[in-house]
Amino acid sequence: TQLLEQSPQFLSIQEGENLTVYCNSSSVFSSLQWYRQEPGEGPVLLVTVVTGGEVKKLKRLTFQFGDARKDSSLHITAAQPGDTGLYLCAGLPISSSNTGKLIFGQGTTLQVKP
Amino acid sequence: DTGVSQDPRHKITKRGQNVTFRCDPISEHNRLYWYRQTLGQGPEFLTYFQNEAQLEKSRLLSDRFSAERPKGSFSTLEIQRTEQGDSAMYLCASTRGLEQYFGPGTRLTVT
Repeated sequence: TQLLEQSPQFLSIQEGENLTVYCNSSSVFSSLQWYRQEPGEGPVLLVTVVTGGEVKKLKRLTFQFGDARKDSSLHITAAQPGDTGLYLCAGLPISSSNTGKLIFGQGTTLQVKP
Repeated sequence: DTGVSQDPRHKITKRGQNVTFRCDPISEHNRLYWYRQTLGQGPEFLTYFQNEAQLEKSRLLSDRFSAERPKGSFSTLEIQRTEQGDSAMYLCASTRGLEQYFGPGTRLTVT
């Protein structure tokens, strides 16, 4: 069974603090995507990483794909209350490259207090 | 491009009833996926279509579940004889490449 372990599961911080969310697996992924989900809504795609060691930035969010393409991290600088939400990592295993079937982590619930 | 839409957004039903959900993908997206998400968990794959062909089904999809995509455009997911364990958010996503775009989901509550 291919699993994506996401940590931490819950994070409550003050506005202005930095944070990092981790996504780890023993499986190799051909690509990995990060989503943000609001309560009662579907996940919204933030970024896709495909190359080992790749780093992508989206304003205050920095995404990194591990060199071996087994792990990824999301770093948020100077968190804002608007960053509050559920962050999900989703990997496309090499074995599922043809199907596009994503494996999701359990999610990280982030609360940023003003 | 109006995004992926799902209908209804919420459905409350009694145990034993049948329910049907609809998903309208982004136009020209040839692949359509159904996922199920329970509280505090990430989405889990249920099934997917390439055009009108259903190519893979998860073991999570019991015989009570059936999905169709008759003309390769919209898709329906039907659950027969619903059980309380079916209560979840049902998500649809579409793609024509690598990135999957999700709809807002249908929240099913079985009482």
